[in-house]
Amino acid sequence: QQPVQSPQAVILREGEDAVINCSSSKALYSVHWYRQKHGEAPVFLMILLKGGEQKGHDKISASFNEKKQQSSLYLTASQLSYSGTYFCGTEQGGKLIFGQGTELSVKP
Amino acid sequence: EAGVAQSPRYKIIEKRQSVAFWCNPISGHATLYWYQQILGQGPKLLIQFQNNGVVDDSQLPKDRFSAERLKGVDSTLKIQPAKLEDSAVYLCASSLTSGRNEQYFGPGTRLTVT
Repeated sequence: QQPVQSPQAVILREGEDAVINCSSSKALYSVHWYRQKHGEAPVFLMILLKGGEQKGHDKISASFNEKKQQSSLYLTASQLSYSGTYFCGTEQGGKLIFGQGTELSVKP
Repeated sequence: EAGVAQSPRYKIIEKRQSVAFWCNPISGHATLYWYQQILGQGPKLLIQFQNNGVVDDSQLPKDRFSAERLKGVDSTLKIQPAKLEDSAVYLCASSLTSGRNEQYFGPGTRLTVT
């Protein structure tokens, strides 16, 4: 079952913060986050495992709430380079099921 | 370290023709994935190999798609015959092992079926 991401799209000014949510109707064991720039391959950001662990990658961090079956990606003080489509992938039956993506545009 | 290589980068064919894509994963990566990404959607797993064995091909349309990974390294994905709805980017990815590991994606092959 495909996880649901929200919002579908967001426009920010440089320096603003954003939150992208990923929720699943199935129990989550791990959540993966990737960023894909237009015309390029998805690039790995981070993996979160069961336990509510929060991880960070530069000014991008994420949380994982297994009870609520959801994960959130936090982008702090956004930079122009953060623009792209963000996908969460949830582990189901040993394979990754990706959400439909959240398109993030950061304007100067 | 060299990344995942794919060829060709672009392909245009007519419906009912056949096409093949090639992927060379990162050296030492045991797990190889083929994804289909339709414009505006997330990647959808078609097939997953662990070395040269198939782990999951539940979403592979087996009446027209086939894939192999000989000698547990390179892989090819074939479509025969192609349909209009096969127009998409085909992404190959690899990881050290299966499970909760970072996947490294290749640049993809953009297929247009006319």
